[in-house]
Amino acid sequence: NAGVTQTPKFQVLKTGQSMTLQCAQDMNHEYMSWYRQDPGMGLRLIHYSVGAGITDQGEVPNGYNVSRSTTEDFPLRLLSAAPSQTSVYFCASSDRGQSNQPQHFGDGTRLSIL
Amino acid sequence: GQSLEQPSEVTAVEGAIVQINCTYQTSGFYGLSWYQQHDGGAPTFLSYNALDGLEETGRFSSFLSRSDSYGYLLLQELQMKDSASYFCAVNTGGFKTIFGAGTRLFVKA
Repeated sequence: NAGVTQTPKFQVLKTGQSMTLQCAQDMNHEYMSWYRQDPGMGLRLIHYSVGAGITDQGEVPNGYNVSRSTTEDFPLRLLSAAPSQTSVYFCASSDRGQSNQPQHFGDGTRLSIL
Repeated sequence: GQSLEQPSEVTAVEGAIVQINCTYQTSGFYGLSWYQQHDGGAPTFLSYNALDGLEETGRFSSFLSRSDSYGYLLLQELQMKDSASYFCAVNTGGFKTIFGAGTRLFVKA
């Protein structure tokens, strides 16, 4: 029972490098989202998807791209890493059919940009 | 803009009851959720209120007043393992969820 799986768990990048954070879920959830968590600021929504082929921007989308080609996968791409993107990134999924829509979170990716 | 306000820290004694408040100002409202997060861990879902009133789940209860744009999480019979951060979150529509900055709960022996 894997739930939401994020890889890698830790990553260090240099300014200007690009990379993709992977997120996969095995619960057949329609909804998936990416958040970043910075100290004292809670979770901020970056991008989200309500189904394969459909994505939309959240509160802080600049510098990030997403795509949703399958129900299971929702990768987050950093186009040109900046120190301001140093954060903990969480992926979450939710079942549209559940009225209370609990979000199931992955364990997070801790990203440092030097 | 959109905002959720909750206290930054709360301290309580083991066995006591603690209430964590959340007031919100959002462009849309479909429900208020609460999540728990231990240090270094992922947020985990605790409760959800779409309608006014109290929802009870074991030692945890959550309350919502939509007319006051206010809700709270009530934790009873506090245990040391309840020391964590607690986040309120509003579903603003279309699966878009806005989180508060979190309340850090310290439970003392």
